[in-house]
Amino acid sequence: DGGITQSPKYLFRKEGQNVTLSCEQNLNHDAMYWYRQDPGQGLRLIYYSQIVNDFQKGDIAEGYSVSREKKESFPLTVTSAQKNPTAFYLCASSIPGQGNTGELFFGEGSRLTVL
Amino acid sequence: GQNIDQPTEMTATEGAIVQINCTYQTSGFNGLFWYQQHAGEAPTFLSYNVLDGLEEKGRFSSFLSRSKGYSYLLLKELQMKDSASYLCAVLDSNYQLIWGAGTKLIIKP
Repeated sequence: DGGITQSPKYLFRKEGQNVTLSCEQNLNHDAMYWYRQDPGQGLRLIYYSQIVNDFQKGDIAEGYSVSREKKESFPLTVTSAQKNPTAFYLCASSIPGQGNTGELFFGEGSRLTVL
Repeated sequence: GQNIDQPTEMTATEGAIVQINCTYQTSGFNGLFWYQQHAGEAPTFLSYNVLDGLEEKGRFSSFLSRSKGYSYLLLKELQMKDSASYLCAVLDSNYQLIWGAGTKLIIKP
């Protein structure tokens, strides 16, 4: 079955540590996205990538980094520079340009807690 | 600035009908989405409207008025499994999605 796989589902981190969240898709989608979800707020875009080896900052990129070395993979690193990293992180993919409905397909999410 | 407003929480009874409203002010408009998100899970796509009018899909319908910057999601014959958050999102002129905070829908027996 095609889909998006995020891991780990739950992650605990000490302050000052970097942590990397994995996102893999086998939908053959060109575009991939990382969102952060906090209670009472809409999804906020961290980074997105429209094509391999290219990515763009979203609205809240500070303290995060990404790479897109393969079409299937778009890992997110939450660095120690991120002031308030405790959140639910969602990875998504889409097919840009096909009717451009922009429908997003989401992974199951990763919940990061900083202790 | 860009803004999307939805009620924070709504309660409805099993078997009834509920309407969840969404108003938006964005720089340009290239469509409006509704997603469903159960607690602790990923959002799933429900509907997409780009032209004015009503789109029906089974028990769920979505309406759009571009001149009023307004949409609603109508859920009929409510079931307990419809208890979830419903997210409204608008695709702006740069084809970036602007998300509302979501409406938590509670279904009571």
